[in-house]
Amino acid sequence: DAGITQSPRHKVTETGTPVTLRCHQTENHRYMYWYRQDPGHGLRLIHYSYGVKDTDKGEVSDGYSVSRSKTEDFLLTLESATSSQTSVYFCAISRDKYSNQPQHFGDGTRLSIL
Amino acid sequence: DAKTTQPNSMESNEEEPVHLPCNHSTISGTDYIHWYRQLPSQGPEYVIHGLTSNVNNRMASLAIAEDRKSSTLILHRATLRDAAVYYCILRDGGSSNTGKLIFGQGTTLQVKP
Repeated sequence: DAGITQSPRHKVTETGTPVTLRCHQTENHRYMYWYRQDPGHGLRLIHYSYGVKDTDKGEVSDGYSVSRSKTEDFLLTLESATSSQTSVYFCAISRDKYSNQPQHFGDGTRLSIL
Repeated sequence: DAKTTQPNSMESNEEEPVHLPCNHSTISGTDYIHWYRQLPSQGPEYVIHGLTSNVNNRMASLAIAEDRKSSTLILHRATLRDAAVYYCILRDGGSSNTGKLIFGQGTTLQVKP
C-alpha cells in the first residue's frame, strides 16, 4: 500500500474557525492532490501540487488554500470554515501527471462544520 | 474531458466472475482507461489501467474493445470484500496539465454470499 497518511481522520468544528488538514506521503511522489467527496457530486479536485512550493487550483478551490513546503507534506487550509465545507476530504499522490500513472489515495478526513 | 457511462448498480454471487462494463464512445487516441474502486469508508483504490491491449494484474483483468469505445473490468472470482463502488475513468494523455481524475457516479457492486 502507498504510504499516505491523512490527519486528522475526523474533525468537528464551528463555522468561522480555521482548519488545517494534513497529508503526509513516504513515496517521494511529485504530484499531490486534494479532493472532496460529497453525495451526488462524486470526488472533485480542490487544489493540487506539482512540486515543493508549486501549487494550482482545481475546480472547487474557493475558500481553500494549500501549501507544500516539503515533498512529503501537503496542507489544506480552510481559512474560515463554512457549513458548505462539511465533507470527506481525500489526499492523493502520483509519481507524475501522465495518464499512464495511477493515483493513490489516503483514507480520508471526515470534516463536520457546525 | 471524455465521459464514461456505467450502470448504477450490479449484483454478483460470491466466488463467481463479475463483468463490469464501461462505455466511453468519445475516447481520444491518447486517453488511458483507468479503474478505481472505493470500499465503504475508505479512499479510492487503484485497480488497473490500459490503453489498447487487454491487461491483467493480481486484482483484476481489463478487456478493451478493439475500437476502444468500451471496456470491461473483470473480477475473476468475486469475494465479499469486492463489494464497492467501481469507477471507470479516462485520463488524458495529451493536453492535461493537472493529472486530475474525473470521477463519475460509478457502479455499486453488491456481492451476495
